[in-house]
Amino acid sequence: QITLKESGPTLVKPTQTLTLTCTFSGFSLSIPGVGVGWIRQPPGKALEWLALIYWDDDKRYSPSLKSRLTITKDTSRNQVVLTVTKVDPVDTATYYCAHSLTYYHGMDVWGQGTTVTVSS
Amino acid sequence: EIVLTQSPATLSLSPGDRATLSCRASQSVSNYLAWYQQKPGQAPSLLIYGASNRATGIPARFSGSGSGTDFTLTISSLEPEDFAIYYCQQRSNGLWTFGQGTKVEIK
Repeated sequence: QITLKESGPTLVKPTQTLTLTCTFSGFSLSIPGVGVGWIRQPPGKALEWLALIYWDDDKRYSPSLKSRLTITKDTSRNQVVLTVTKVDPVDTATYYCAHSLTYYHGMDVWGQGTTVTVSS
Repeated sequence: EIVLTQSPATLSLSPGDRATLSCRASQSVSNYLAWYQQKPGQAPSLLIYGASNRATGIPARFSGSGSGTDFTLTISSLEPEDFAIYYCQQRSNGLWTFGQGTKVEIK
């Protein structure tokens, strides 16, 4: 059974760096085709794809946020980390990580999400 | 960057009705199109991948169709638990985007 769980701070001040960790089980991020992505959802708004890292360390970022995002993986610890620099109140959202079997399969298993508020 | 436009924004229907949701891409995404359902306070869940393939455990009343730029999610007969928000998502040139969502509400 595949599970993912997001963790990180609930409150971050503007201009700080946000670091989120996705800890997963039930699969290996060394299997060809597999990826883990990050998606966020501001309160009452739509889903926004942020980044995705593949089994071979290929990394993809949303063009609109690329300069502020970094995604990394630790295969031995079954974790994927997303950092967001220079946060602003508009970055307030629920952040989800999700498993992708292959890019054809979409994101088939999601974490429960973690809520982050950016405020001074 | 490919933009996905979903219509309508809101669909007001009754249980037992047929629901037809549209997702249009600003350029061809082949069949790299997925649909998700999201209920209040919950994470999204995958319904359809590859434009027309039901994910594991998804009831047969959900079906997807289309290719290129025009896609449709059909719910043949709405059950009470189907009232939710539905998002389409594409993957092209390594980048993923979501549509703005269609809310299916009880009439």
